[in-house]
Amino acid sequence: DADVTQTPRNRITKTGKRIMLECSQTKGHDRMYWYRQDPGLGLRLIYYSFDVKDINKGEISDGYSVSRQAQAKFSLSLESAIPNQTALYFCATSDWGTSKSDEQFFGPGTRLTVL
Amino acid sequence: GQNIDQPTEMTATEGAIVQINCTYQTSGFNGLFWYQQHAGEAPTFLSYNVLDGLEEKGRFSSFLSRSKGYSYLLLKELQMKDSASYLCAVRVSGGYQKVTFGTGTKLQVIP
Repeated sequence: DADVTQTPRNRITKTGKRIMLECSQTKGHDRMYWYRQDPGLGLRLIYYSFDVKDINKGEISDGYSVSRQAQAKFSLSLESAIPNQTALYFCATSDWGTSKSDEQFFGPGTRLTVL
Repeated sequence: GQNIDQPTEMTATEGAIVQINCTYQTSGFNGLFWYQQHAGEAPTFLSYNVLDGLEEKGRFSSFLSRSKGYSYLLLKELQMKDSASYLCAVRVSGGYQKVTFGTGTKLQVIP
């Protein structure tokens, strides 16, 4: 089984709809992240969480919200989707405590299309 | 802020060696990562450098020069499966230990 899973894997929705993307991990990591990836722009950080009670905005948080329901679960919501939120979304985890590099482990991604 | 530059695309021949460069400008440098990303898939961690020098891991090596703000990823004995994007990412010190990703270099390996 994959260590970091994301649901759904693909989603097509309409402008104005509320969308939730979910991420679960079995790695036991405290740190979780949400990124979006657009052609030519690379990975950009939306939100990050260092533990259940710690949630922080990344560089492009406008239009997004998150919920850290448990150590293993981190959800991303688009309250009112707009077309420029069409992108590939990745969840990631890392473990600062045991890894000298704190490298990130990514989920398989969710391809979101907003019409 | 941070600025990370890497070539957009490269082409190399199967069995050859290719070097992918990354230059960065940042304050509070605290580590550089290389990730591999196949089309439509998740990035996967390849290497990490925080001190100057070369880190070797099988066919892949990564080099860092902090004074020059420069790193490269060296891929030896190229295989077709190495066709992918290679992402350079820089971490800075501070409360969050922010990591910023470059836009990636798309490598095409040809027979």
